[in-house]
Amino acid sequence: GQQLNQSPQSMFIQEGEDVSMNCTSSSIFNTWLWYKQDPGEGPVLLIALYKAGELTSNGRLTAQFGITRKDSFLNISASIPSDVGIYFCAGHEGKGGGADGLTFGKGTHLIIQP
Amino acid sequence: NAGVTQTPKFRVLKTGQSMTLLCAQDMNHEYMYWYRQDPGMGLRLIHYSVGEGTTAKGEVPDGYNVSRLKKQNFLLGLESAAPSQTSVYFCASSYSYSPLHFGNGTRLTVT
Repeated sequence: GQQLNQSPQSMFIQEGEDVSMNCTSSSIFNTWLWYKQDPGEGPVLLIALYKAGELTSNGRLTAQFGITRKDSFLNISASIPSDVGIYFCAGHEGKGGGADGLTFGKGTHLIIQP
Repeated sequence: NAGVTQTPKFRVLKTGQSMTLLCAQDMNHEYMYWYRQDPGMGLRLIHYSVGEGTTAKGEVPDGYNVSRLKKQNFLLGLESAAPSQTSVYFCASSYSYSPLHFGNGTRLTVT
């Protein structure tokens, strides 16, 4: 199956700093999704991207669907302690996120030092 | 709405024992999935179902069986548990072309 390279693997930052993470693929995806997993819970959808070049915000979070359709970026501005968790990207070959054809990155662990 | 509910939350098995993990969703989603999450491996698809009475293999299906007798329920079975099946198991559901909604996981330890 397809593989996603998600980086960085982990980040140690100070509260208030901005955060950037990304996912890249050797193949084209038609949908990019970003999830966050809090400790002891399941992943929760943050942002869904369906069009190359699309830039979408959700509060302090902004994600972009790369123009080549082979990458996506997630930025968090002015980090706060509750941003701690694991962030997953996921790419889908189709338009959406269901069924087969969905590939997850290995996650970025975000740790915030007050 | 409860969303996706998984039971139990924690379980400890001895090698060779069997068990069934239960997943229920109240969103009328057609598709349901079972993933396992291991450190450094991300989320890996075990089995999935595109509708009542249908199942399909995912990336890591060996050692697991599933059943979807009702649209709202998706069961994951381990017939003879092995230490390699120690993991956190997540159930998810979705419409055919929509992002997945995940449950809060079942932490399984096999000794």
